[in-house]
Amino acid sequence: GESVGLHLPTLSVQEGDNSIINCAYSNSASDYFIWYKQESGKGPQFIIDIRSNMDKRQGQRVTVLLNKTVKHLSLQIAATQPGDSAVYFCAENRRSGYSTLTFGKGTMLLVSP
Amino acid sequence: GAVVSQHPSWVICKSGTSVKIECRSLDFQATTMFWYRQFPKQSLMLMATSNEGSKATYEQGVEKDKFLINHASLTLSTLTVTSAHPEDSSFYICSARGGGATYEQYFGPGTRLTVT
Repeated sequence: GESVGLHLPTLSVQEGDNSIINCAYSNSASDYFIWYKQESGKGPQFIIDIRSNMDKRQGQRVTVLLNKTVKHLSLQIAATQPGDSAVYFCAENRRSGYSTLTFGKGTMLLVSP
Repeated sequence: GAVVSQHPSWVICKSGTSVKIECRSLDFQATTMFWYRQFPKQSLMLMATSNEGSKATYEQGVEKDKFLINHASLTLSTLTVTSAHPEDSSFYICSARGGGATYEQYFGPGTRLTVT
């Protein structure tokens, strides 16, 4: 049978390409979202965040898009580099005022030189 | 700024023993700290939330008597895994949040626990 949770979705890209990593969330009341990058054996590293009153936010080489209508979040990485290879997690704050984060399943990004 | 450390980075212990993991915020005061567990190729699962000076709030399904959390100061929280079993082997990660309106959490580097 299928082993749920043991296989991360993987996105393979070439160096220099733009990458788009997607995340679906379930709670329409979530008011804050963060993207984290996690390299093997390390803790998550903050990339970019967005509040629910926004639909787009840009950082250095990264853009987060929020579509509340379909409860969808995406992370766009421009000019992807081999150092971007990692697992990317979206996280949402589901309980307003409590600041507890719920993490998505994660996507592994593999960047080939 | 906003650096969180964990100690040890990895630990091996025998079944039935207890092991303590420390989480420190190095350059800010953490009013709230969080403990997560992560199994291989899986996401982070929140175990508990602790506020300085008060009892931790555990997530559903997490045994509070097995995973003892102490948040004794604004810069230190500890997680003690009591009577460890091989199924407790995992990657334990803490995070810390300062005061104010921000929801951002700063994560430690994680502790790899192996129970033999």
